[in-house]
Amino acid sequence: EDKVVQSPLSLVVHEGDTVTLNCSYEVTNFRSLLWYKQEKKAPTFLFMLTSSGIEKKSGRLSSILDKKELFSILNITATQTGDSAVYLCARKSSGDKLTFGTGTRLAVRP
Amino acid sequence: DGGITQSPKYLFRKEGQNVTLSCEQNLNHDAMYWYRQDPGQGLRLIYYSQIVNDFQKGDIAEGYSVSREKKESFPLTVTSAQKNPTAFYLCATQPMGGANVLTFGAGSRLTVL
Repeated sequence: EDKVVQSPLSLVVHEGDTVTLNCSYEVTNFRSLLWYKQEKKAPTFLFMLTSSGIEKKSGRLSSILDKKELFSILNITATQTGDSAVYLCARKSSGDKLTFGTGTRLAVRP
Repeated sequence: DGGITQSPKYLFRKEGQNVTLSCEQNLNHDAMYWYRQDPGQGLRLIYYSQIVNDFQKGDIAEGYSVSREKKESFPLTVTSAQKNPTAFYLCATQPMGGANVLTFGAGSRLTVL
């Protein structure tokens, strides 16, 4: 079975802190790894990573993939209360099938 | 404006009743997906369809059925055979080719009493 494991399951930080969310996956037919942010209902797309070692950045969020060690991290610097959400990691395999992790629930306190 | 519309947002049903969740899109995306989300379990794929009149089972298809008679529509029926239907259901679409990133609807929360 293709597994995607995210850690931690939940995290509480204060505004201004930096957080690192982890995602590890199994390698079968790997094509890409995706990060989504889910605030209330619909997950919204953050990043798609296909190449190892190349950081993708959007404002205070960045992500990188390590295809040798089979993991990705999502970093959020200078966190704000608006960053509170569930962050989902998903692995895409051949046939465009996405396997999602359980998500990390991030709460940012003022 | 373009997007994915799921309805209803909230639905309550008694055990043993079939229910149908609607998913309509005007993004002209070819592929459509249904996921189920339970606390602590992430998203699990129920069914998906890459073209009209064709669909495939996902990882947890038992107790569910779908149809894809039009490109814009991919309704999901939760049948009485589904043992634990209470969940949050997400529909998603994806264009063929390109970055193949899923776009999600706002979801439907089904509660079976």
